[in-house]
Amino acid sequence: AQSVAQPEDQVNVAEGNPLTVKCTYSVSGNPYLFWYVQYPNRGLQFLLKYITGDNLVKGSYGFEAEFNKSQTSFHLKKPSALVSDSALYFCAVSRRAGGYQKVTFGIGTKLQVIP
Amino acid sequence: DSGVTQTPKHLITATGQRVTLRCSPRSGDLSVYWYQQSLDQGLQFLIQYYNGEERAKGNILERFSAQQFPDLHSELNLSSLELGDSALYFCASSKTGDEDTEAFFGQGTRLTVV
Repeated sequence: AQSVAQPEDQVNVAEGNPLTVKCTYSVSGNPYLFWYVQYPNRGLQFLLKYITGDNLVKGSYGFEAEFNKSQTSFHLKKPSALVSDSALYFCAVSRRAGGYQKVTFGIGTKLQVIP
Repeated sequence: DSGVTQTPKHLITATGQRVTLRCSPRSGDLSVYWYQQSLDQGLQFLIQYYNGEERAKGNILERFSAQQFPDLHSELNLSSLELGDSALYFCASSKTGDEDTEAFFGQGTRLTVV
């Protein structure tokens, strides 16, 4: 079994401040971890992924995420938030199960950047 | 623009009816996924196809079915619709459908069952 937890329904941050959106996961074997963003009335957009190697992964729009194996976490971060970053953020874990890809998404965290 | 095209964007239909949602994947992508997004259930994986073959099944009801055609476009058929089927239905595609590849999502079809 595998699961993803996004413990915060909503995160509020002031524009210009650093932001963190939290994600923890549970999966057997090596995890493949993803972050996606969803703007209103749009589909999900891929931000970044961790496959292997460097624990700090850089992605689109200045976002980065840190993989922490001991804490089974993959938190999304950005040094300086923009109002345009306000959106719904999804963490996902993927693995191979029974010969095919199994992907599980978290419930999403709404990020509100306050001007 | 992700390159994944879904039609229609909006659909309103009555309970008991049948609808078909259509998806054209990104050029070169062989794998197609269908997801259902609702407020109370979040994003639920329904089914995955790879190069015309069903590859994985998630929480897809028996009233729902899908297929991927030789030109790689896919259709999701929803029948005997119930009020609870009202949701956003997303199609996504990826090159290989492997566990380390990211998916690209369409803008979704918003289904309202009345």
